[in-house]
Amino acid sequence: AQTVTQSQPEMSVQEAETVTLSCTYDTSESDYYLFWYKQPPSRQMILVIRQEAYKQQNATENRFSVNFQKAAKSFSLKISDSQLGDAAMYFCALSNTGNQFYFGTGTSLTVIP
Amino acid sequence: GAVVSQHPSWVICKSGTSVKIECRSLDFQATTMFWYRQFPKQSLMLMATSNEGSKATYEQGVEKDKFLINHASLTLSTLTVTSAHPEDSSFYICSARPGRLSTGELFFGEGSRLTVL
Repeated sequence: AQTVTQSQPEMSVQEAETVTLSCTYDTSESDYYLFWYKQPPSRQMILVIRQEAYKQQNATENRFSVNFQKAAKSFSLKISDSQLGDAAMYFCALSNTGNQFYFGTGTSLTVIP
Repeated sequence: GAVVSQHPSWVICKSGTSVKIECRSLDFQATTMFWYRQFPKQSLMLMATSNEGSKATYEQGVEKDKFLINHASLTLSTLTVTSAHPEDSSFYICSARPGRLSTGELFFGEGSRLTVL
């Protein structure tokens, strides 16, 4: 069975500071993808960052980076220089070779001006 | 990136009526589309997998006669909420993935907020 766990229902960060959102997962497959999606108040799901499991190098997209620890099955998201527009729900997700997608329960991020 | 469009973005209907929500992949063909339901401040709950040219695969607990899914073409899937009741009020989101594990991610529609009076 595949599971995705986000243990932080809510997080807050001061504008311009750095915040890390946690995610752990479980899968028996060796080939899979991990994602972080952002859902702002508009409710549109937006891909933030993607990581292929076979790549050891941590993915980076501008101010967003991940810490992918495959052995520990951990996939945290770091947001640097936080901006007001980063305020949203963040979902960690796992996709396996069976064309299935698994979402975590989400972390609500508040950015304090 | 790929674009998925969903319509309508919000709809209000009377109890007992049926509502159809459309999901289109605008710049790619999608043999498979996914329909999710989301309650406030909760995660996405997969309702069903829509397969082009064949029957949808429903998740456990989802009434297939209540939530009719049709995937008649490679770019369009529809979700019809039949005989809607207030408890069906929710946010419905569709998604699709171009190709099979091309880059892995799902592309989402804008979502449809259904309110049943």
